Amino acid sequence: AQKVTQAQTEISVVEKEDVTLDCVYETRDTTYYLFWYKQPPSGELVFLIRRNSFDEQNEISGRYSWNFQKSTSSFNFTITASQVVDSAVYFCARQDAGNNRKLIWGLGTSLAVNP
Amino acid sequence: DAGVIQSPRHEVTEMGQEVTLRCKPISGHNSLFWYRQTMMRGLELLIYFNNNVPIDDSGMPEDRFSAKMPNASFSTLKIQPSEPRDSAVYFCASRSGTGYNEQFFGPGTRLTVL
Repeated sequence: AQKVTQAQTEISVVEKEDVTLDCVYETRDTTYYLFWYKQPPSGELVFLIRRNSFDEQNEISGRYSWNFQKSTSSFNFTITASQVVDSAVYFCARQDAGNNRKLIWGLGTSLAVNP
Repeated sequence: DAGVIQSPRHEVTEMGQEVTLRCKPISGHNSLFWYRQTMMRGLELLIYFNNNVPIDDSGMPEDRFSAKMPNASFSTLKIQPSEPRDSAVYFCASRSGTGYNEQFFGPGTRLTVL
C-alpha cells in the first residue's frame, strides 16, 4: 500500500522553540493532494492546509509554514516560535486524484509544547 | 455556519447491545465519511458516501457494522451487536465539490463497550 509516514511519534519542545514535523509519502500518481490536520486535546480534527502536487511553492500562514519537496516526496510542517496552544497531534494525509478519493493518513505526530 | 454535527458525544453500552451513531454533514456538502480512531490503529476510514450513495465500504470491519445515508443531511453508523473491541472514537466528516477539497470533521463520538 502506498503510505504516508510520519516518523516522529512524539516531539517535546519548550515554548518559543521552532519545531518541524516531518511527512513523507508514497505515490505512483502524478496528480495528488496533500493535507495537514491538527487534533488538539479536545479531540476534534481541524484542517490546516491542502496542497496539490503541481504547486511546490512553500506556504506560510502566521507562525505555520509548509515545505513541499516533490523530489523527496516530503511535505514538512514547521511551527515557528511555538506556543503551548500548539500542543496537539498533527496528521499528514495524501489523496489521490483517482476515482476513489480517499485520504491516506499518517499515524500522527504528538507535539507537546511546554512552558 | 454549523459544522458537522454528531450525536451522541459519548456512548457507554454493554457488549451485545446495538449502538447507533448519528451525523449531520455541513449543508451543501456532497460527500460524507465515517472514521474510527484508536490508539492502536490510528484513523481508519470505515465508509464513504458520495451524493448519498456508498462508494467505498471496504473499511467496514465486519457485518456487525452498517451505515446508511437516507438523505443529504443525515447518516447513521450502526453496530449490532457491539463488542468491547469496538470501543473507539468515531468521527464523521463531510466534503464539498468534486473530491479534492478538504474534509471537515465533527467532534466525534466516544464509544465505550463494556
